[in-house]
Amino acid sequence: GAGVSQSPSNKVTEKGKDVELRCDPISGHTALYWYRQSLGQGLEFLIYFQGNSAPDKSGLPSDRFSAERTGGSVSTLTIQRTQQEDSAVYLCASSQRTGTYEQYFGPGTRLTVT
Amino acid sequence: AQSVTQPDIHITVSEGASLELRCNYSYGATPYLFWYVQSPGQGLQLLLKYFSGDTLVQGIKGFEAEFKRSQSSFNLRKPSVHWSDAAEYFCAVGANQGGKLIFGQGTELSVKP
Repeated sequence: GAGVSQSPSNKVTEKGKDVELRCDPISGHTALYWYRQSLGQGLEFLIYFQGNSAPDKSGLPSDRFSAERTGGSVSTLTIQRTQQEDSAVYLCASSQRTGTYEQYFGPGTRLTVT
Repeated sequence: AQSVTQPDIHITVSEGASLELRCNYSYGATPYLFWYVQSPGQGLQLLLKYFSGDTLVQGIKGFEAEFKRSQSSFNLRKPSVHWSDAAEYFCAVGANQGGKLIFGQGTELSVKP
């Protein structure tokens, strides 16, 4: 079946602009996660959603970052007023339910802030 | 706080040689442990996982890992490496708040012909 998909695959933006990154989880997966992969910080957890529960936003690095998940499926990660340090690969993952820990990852969106 | 350490940033092995990638974790309870592999330009692929039970777990592509509670380790092994195994390998632990994963810094594997 279809895996996790993310779009765009690459995004180049100017410093100060807002960007939106999209994630389509595997159908039927109720939990969705965002991670960031950068050279200096490795793989960092950002946020996760489980069904209709309030998301765990504990990994978001600043209030410029936000995410939403509409209809319990597609998720959008928004970064406002982008900074050069936001340049990274943003990975989305989904799992059947929180606690199973078996997460399936998408190919990522490479964000470059110039 | 939970943490994962992969002591080796880069390892080079000859094709056909055996491989062991090290992973140490810090966690207050029985951990859920994972190894993922990432090929260049690709997302993360799950190699294997440990939740409970038998401490030697088998994964895909001929990999296995052994959970040793006394050493807080979960090392990844393969008896004979293939050139296609060249990639970056990440060890991860499932945190105790929800399902988020905490990753090690990764070990880059190069394979010599």
